[in-house]
Formats: sequence, structure tokens, C-alpha cells
Amino acid sequence: ETGVTQTPRHLVMGMTNKKSLKCEQHLGHNAMYWYKQSAKKPLELMFVYSLEERVENNSVPSRFSPECPNSSHLFLHLHTLQPEDSALYLCASSWGQGSTDTQYFGPGTRLTVL
Amino acid sequence: AQSVTQLGSHVSVSEGALVLLRCNYSSSVPPYLFWYVQYPNQGLQLLLKYTSAATLVKGINGFEAEFKKSETSFHLTKPSAHMSDAAEYFCAVSDQSGNTGKLIFGQGTTLQVKP
Repeated sequence: ETGVTQTPRHLVMGMTNKKSLKCEQHLGHNAMYWYKQSAKKPLELMFVYSLEERVENNSVPSRFSPECPNSSHLFLHLHTLQPEDSALYLCASSWGQGSTDTQYFGPGTRLTVL
Repeated sequence: AQSVTQLGSHVSVSEGALVLLRCNYSSSVPPYLFWYVQYPNQGLQLLLKYTSAATLVKGINGFEAEFKKSETSFHLTKPSAHMSDAAEYFCAVSDQSGNTGKLIFGQGTTLQVKP
């Protein structure tokens, strides 16, 4: 595997379910990100991790819970979601968290909340 | 606060024609600017970035962008469109206030290429 991978690619869940999204980067990067991409809206940064420590939580509801067990893996745990949470969730990684560091994106998980 | 605005949510060009996708930014500090492309069912891929070196930045797939401070613009161009260029394009500015690597994205522009 190369680059940034995300699983599953598609997920359908009910509002009472608990599920997790997984992201893995094979680039040796130190920073990882979760973004939300909704129709008709700009990409929104959700969380940033640097060296497994959360450095940014962009006012995300507590029904989204990130976890970064090591610098290669990032999870997004989901529970009690709402239909408006349906979106494409993108993971990204970068060497550092500097303003000029290039972020490399995974293909995303398309989430549908019924 | 920093922001970007992409003018035109949809742009349609003929194959072989010039591609021009517009991006204007707002920033109180010298900005770092990015263009990303997203093909259907894929993540975002970096086309090019401006980090205060040369104002004309060349990227992948024949794209380039010119940073114009006087116009607060960073428009993306390609001399001759190819069918494979059909995708969604995002302009972004790096949020330098918190040193978290945060990118602020525009709304995106969908490029359609007609044969």
C-alpha cells in the first residue's frame, strides 16, 4: 500500500449505531487530519494530530471522537450521528504541521446516516 | 482571519481551450496558497502551491498559477484543456494563526471539458 488509505470506502449507519473510520498513512508523516466534505460547502477541518497528540479540535460535536494510536494510524469513532452528518470524510497527512507543508489526502469514506 | 473565494462554481471549456479558474484570497499576512484537484470518487491531490518564492508557480499536469498581491488573486491556468482535466478544483490558504497546518478551502469549481 502506498500513500494514504481509508476504510471503509462507503458506510451506511443508523442514528443509534456506533462505527469507526480508519485511516492509515504509509508516507512516514508526523501529522494527520480529519476533514468533512459536505455537498455545497467547503471542506471543513475537524481534527489535527501531530506526533499522536491532538493539536486542533475545530468545534466538532462530541459524537465524533478521534483517536491516534501512532503516527501512521488515525481513527474517527462515530456514535449517535444525525442525518446532517452524512458526508465524505477525508483523512490527510503531512510531514509537519507547518503552514507550507503539503497535505496528502486519502480517497475518503462516504458516510450516509439514515 | 484568512479566507479564499473561488469565482464560478462551474466552468465549462472545450477540449484544447484555455482553462482559467479564479481564486481570490483575503489575508492579513503574506499568504501561503494551494490548488488541489479532486477526481470523482477520489481524495484531493496537490496541483501546486505558493510559498512566497517565485510568483509564477508551475504544477503538475501542465497547470500553473500566478500570485498577484495587488489583485489578491491566485488564478489557476492551463493553456490547453484535456478531457482528463474534468474534475473539481479547490483553492486553499494556510491558516497561519495557530501553526496547526490548518487549510481554509474555497467552495470549489467544477471543470467540465467538452469534446
